[in-house]
Amino acid sequence: ETGVTQTPRHLVMGMTNKKSLKCEQHLGHNAMYWYKQSAKKPLELMFVYSLEERVENNSVPSRFSPECPNSSHLFLHLHTLQPEDSALYLCASSQDLGQGGTEAFFGQGTRLTVV
Amino acid sequence: AQKITQTQPGMFVQEKEAVTLDCTYDTSDQSYGLFWYKQPSSGEMIFLIYQGSYDEQNATEGRYSLNFQKARKSANLVISASQLGDSAMYFCAMREGLRAGGTSYGKLTFGQGTILTVHP
Repeated sequence: ETGVTQTPRHLVMGMTNKKSLKCEQHLGHNAMYWYKQSAKKPLELMFVYSLEERVENNSVPSRFSPECPNSSHLFLHLHTLQPEDSALYLCASSQDLGQGGTEAFFGQGTRLTVV
Repeated sequence: AQKITQTQPGMFVQEKEAVTLDCTYDTSDQSYGLFWYKQPSSGEMIFLIYQGSYDEQNATEGRYSLNFQKARKSANLVISASQLGDSAMYFCAMREGLRAGGTSYGKLTFGQGTILTVHP
């Protein structure tokens, strides 16, 4: 069982659809992240949840709505997306720095195509 | 201002040779962490190596070593004895340790990446 699991791996959706990306971590971490990776651009941090509370929202459009029901699960709800939102969406988790642990562990990503 | 800079869009290396991937960073923090990740075509980001700003020794993990030059703000990745499976995108990242309420979390800022191709 991998540490961070994302589903689906691939998603094609129309601009009027509503879909959700799911991320699950089995590492006991207490912080989870959503990153967006577009072609030829660095990874962009979208949202951070620490202890199930959203602590960072990097000017992400409201058509992206995150949800963290517990420390193991993170969702990204999508609605009325634009073609430029097509990208690889990566979920990551990390452990509270105060308790040790340094690196973030990533899932395999969801390749999203908006048509 | 960009905090992490990787100036090599692509690098080529012969199998079994060593290769250095460059990374420079910018921060005013005294405490920070530097990371290298590998991203194969499958998309997953694989953690390779970590260097803390207060670590005096250069980090090493198997065939990976991090050449940390704090005064120059550089954190180059050295891969020794390259293998065909090393062909991938490599990202340098810096962690700012941030606090929110009673906990802390690591916000990673990534460079643009370097595509490494290992030739047989």
